[in-house]
Parts: sequence; C-alpha cells; structure tokens
Amino acid sequence: GENVEQHPSTLSVQEGDSAVIKCTYSDSASNYFPWYKQELGKRPQLIIDIRSNVGEKKDQRIAVTLNKTAKHFSLHITETQPEDSAVYFCAANSGNTPLVFGKGTRLSVIA
Amino acid sequence: EAEVAQSPRYKITEKSQAVAFWCDPISGHATLYWYRQILGQGPELLVQFQDESVVDDSQLPKDRFSAERLKGVDSTLKIQPAELGDSAMYLCASSPIRDTEAFFGQGTRLTVV
Repeated sequence: GENVEQHPSTLSVQEGDSAVIKCTYSDSASNYFPWYKQELGKRPQLIIDIRSNVGEKKDQRIAVTLNKTAKHFSLHITETQPEDSAVYFCAANSGNTPLVFGKGTRLSVIA
Repeated sequence: EAEVAQSPRYKITEKSQAVAFWCDPISGHATLYWYRQILGQGPELLVQFQDESVVDDSQLPKDRFSAERLKGVDSTLKIQPAELGDSAMYLCASSPIRDTEAFFGQGTRLTVV
C-alpha cells in the first residue's frame, strides 16, 4: 500500500519568512495530493491540492509543487503569519487506493 | 454548508466495554473513511467504504474493531472490547469519489479508563 513520509516534524519560522514542508510517496499510481491544516482541537481542513498532471499550483501565499519522477511534493507558505501556526499534513491517493496521510509538521510562526 | 456529522463528540468508557461511533457523511458522498488520530500524529486509516462496500480494511484490528455502512449512507464503527491503547480521536471523512477532497467531521474523542 501507499506510504507517505513527511519532513520536518517541527518547523519554526519568523513571521514574514517562508516555510517549506516536504513529502515523499511510494505508490507511483497515486494521482491526488492534498494538504490539510489542523488547528488545535479542530478537524483537518484542506488548504490546497494538486493532481499528477500538474507540476505546480498556487493560491495566494500557498503553493504546492509535485515531482512525479522523484515521487515527492512540497508545500510552500510565503510571508508567514502567526495564524499559519498549526499542524500540516500531506496525503496521497489514487482512484484505487485510500487516502494515506503523512505524520504531520507542526509549524510555529514567531511574531 | 454541508458537513460530516459525528457522534458522540466525547466518550469515556471502561476497559473491556463496548463502544460505538456514528458518522453521517455529506449527502451524495460515495466514499467514507474512518481514521484514528493520536494526539500529535497524522490520521491513520482504519477502513474505507465505497458506497456500502469495504474497499480497504487492511489496518483495521478486526479482532476488536468492526465497521459497517449498511445502506451506503451513514456508518458505525465499533470497538469491543475497548483497550487502554484505543484512546484517541476517531475521525470520519467523506468525499464524492475516491481521489478528491475528503471532508472531515469533528471527530469523537475516546478515552478508555
């Protein structure tokens, strides 16, 4: 089955700096790669996703890149703000496999 | 805005007792997932349904856990008997089809004492 590895497990950045979280996946059939944000005591919520036919996607301060050959994808947050502090999860699946999550990255944005 | 409904929100049970969680996905969503999340870790898949059929239950501890989605709508996850190590957040999620956004419910926080 699919295995998703996520790094780093914790990340601290100064407000205004950029943050990058990286994930690798094992199943070459995976074609859908979402990123979820989970604030303390709340449910995970989708912030951005990308499909395997696209190499990069942006939404305001958030971007995701995908390298199918290397089987890795990354989340980039620019101009970080204190409200970006949360745990971020990457995930991967295909039409034939379940949605499998990484272990998460705890991002702290220091004002 | 449609949401995934879960109940109860919190459950405290004694070791060796039975416990059940309920999930009502967003209307029309064929795919339903049950995940277990230990504090500070990522959601771990327990079972995936496509309509009323189990698609993946390879990580479900079948000696004590069971899940059903009889009419392809709402779903129940049961643990019998509960063990101390089962204390966690149990999250239900649904999506229209398999490889699209999964929407999560608020979860059921289980404490086994």
